[in-house]
Amino acid sequence: EPEVTQTPSHQVTQMGQEVILRCVPISNHLYFYWYRQILGQKVEFLVSFYNNEISEKSEIFDDQFSVERPDGSNFTLKIRSTKLEDSAMYFCASRGLAGLINTGELFFGEGSRLTVL
Amino acid sequence: AQSVTQLGSHVSVSEGALVLLRCNYSSSVPPYLFWYVQYPNQGLQLLLKYTSAATLVKGINGFEAEFKKSETSFHLTKPSAHMSDAAEYFCAVSEPGNTPLVFGKGTRLSVIA
Repeated sequence: EPEVTQTPSHQVTQMGQEVILRCVPISNHLYFYWYRQILGQKVEFLVSFYNNEISEKSEIFDDQFSVERPDGSNFTLKIRSTKLEDSAMYFCASRGLAGLINTGELFFGEGSRLTVL
Repeated sequence: AQSVTQLGSHVSVSEGALVLLRCNYSSSVPPYLFWYVQYPNQGLQLLLKYTSAATLVKGINGFEAEFKKSETSFHLTKPSAHMSDAAEYFCAVSEPGNTPLVFGKGTRLSVIA
């Protein structure tokens, strides 16, 4: 069964360092998303990406964050200068089209846990 | 903008007892509604979804949910809890089109032997 894969599963970094989290969405999907979940809290939307550009972003997704689809398979989230409060689980998700009907279901990866020290 | 409220951050039931996890939504248009489950240290797995077809939706692992427009609710139920059901459950809403899912705060389900 197709699945969304994320790497790394866990990354520890020092405050101020750049981090890149990688995702390989399901191959025939067209919409890509990043969400984050701070420990013990809700899953929060960061950004959505379609047709090689950001289609929507939340207030959390400030100038420190960027996303890129550098090739036909990878979808990356970059945090330029990490802060302590960036420590969280980051989930990548993708969504395709079932004919002309978009049922809205997202397929999530296992997540990348980021720890900022 | 759409939103989701999950009543009860933690629900504890005995093994074999009824599971009821509550979710109320707010949406300006007919919504799509979802329940996801998250087992410890794992990602989010879709349990079931409502996308304007039958109002009673059956999902995996014996779970089901009923969409009640008059009550703006989408409560999750399972007739008999199993120890393996212990997990975090998230209700989510989206609107037709490329709108992101909006999640509730989650309800942690504990099952007592």
